[in-house]
Amino acid sequence: GIQVEQSPPDLILQEGANSTLRCNFSDSVNNLQWFHQNPWGQLINLFYIPSGTKQNGRLSATTVATERYSLLYISSSQTTDSGVYFCAVERLNTGFQKLVFGTGTRLLVSP
Amino acid sequence: DTEVTQTPKHLVMGMTNKKSLKCEQHMGHRAMYWYKQKAKKPPELMFVYSYEKLSINESVPSRFSPECPNSSLLNLHLHALQPEDSALYLCASSQDKGGGNYGYTFGSGTRLTVV
Repeated sequence: GIQVEQSPPDLILQEGANSTLRCNFSDSVNNLQWFHQNPWGQLINLFYIPSGTKQNGRLSATTVATERYSLLYISSSQTTDSGVYFCAVERLNTGFQKLVFGTGTRLLVSP
Repeated sequence: DTEVTQTPKHLVMGMTNKKSLKCEQHMGHRAMYWYKQKAKKPPELMFVYSYEKLSINESVPSRFSPECPNSSLLNLHLHALQPEDSALYLCASSQDKGGGNYGYTFGSGTRLTVV
């Protein structure tokens, strides 16, 4: 099956700092999403981004599908950004839905 | 309504109990999913329903029994579970194959403890 690796696995930031999270995947995809999982377990959809660049407030994401990676940028981080960030992908031409999650990046933003 | 609602939020059950997890969405999505997440691990797919029919079963033990009564509802029936089945169970929905243009929407999960 498709492999999805995220880096770094853990990240500690001071409030106000910027960061870049990376997601590498091993095969062509037709769906890529970034999620934030809060301490209560809720998976919050940040971006649907199989290709290109999107921005939403302090967050932005870029996927370079031909090179099989995606980046999530967090600017001016806040303590509420803490949690686990997952990218998840669907492999191209599998016929049906099978969203595979990456290994995750655990982010802690301290005041 | 852009939410997936899961009940209950927490469940403690004995190994001989029978219980059910429920999931509901009113976004008109035609695909619904169950995922299982152990502590400090990513979610893993269990089942996929597409147009109310089971399309993927990821070799899940028969003590987990999914049911899709209609296009808005998804249940997961639990029977004779083991302590290692304790996990966060997440429900999701999407428009259809490929997640449509908006991807998957997840519920807040049911945190299950088997004693």
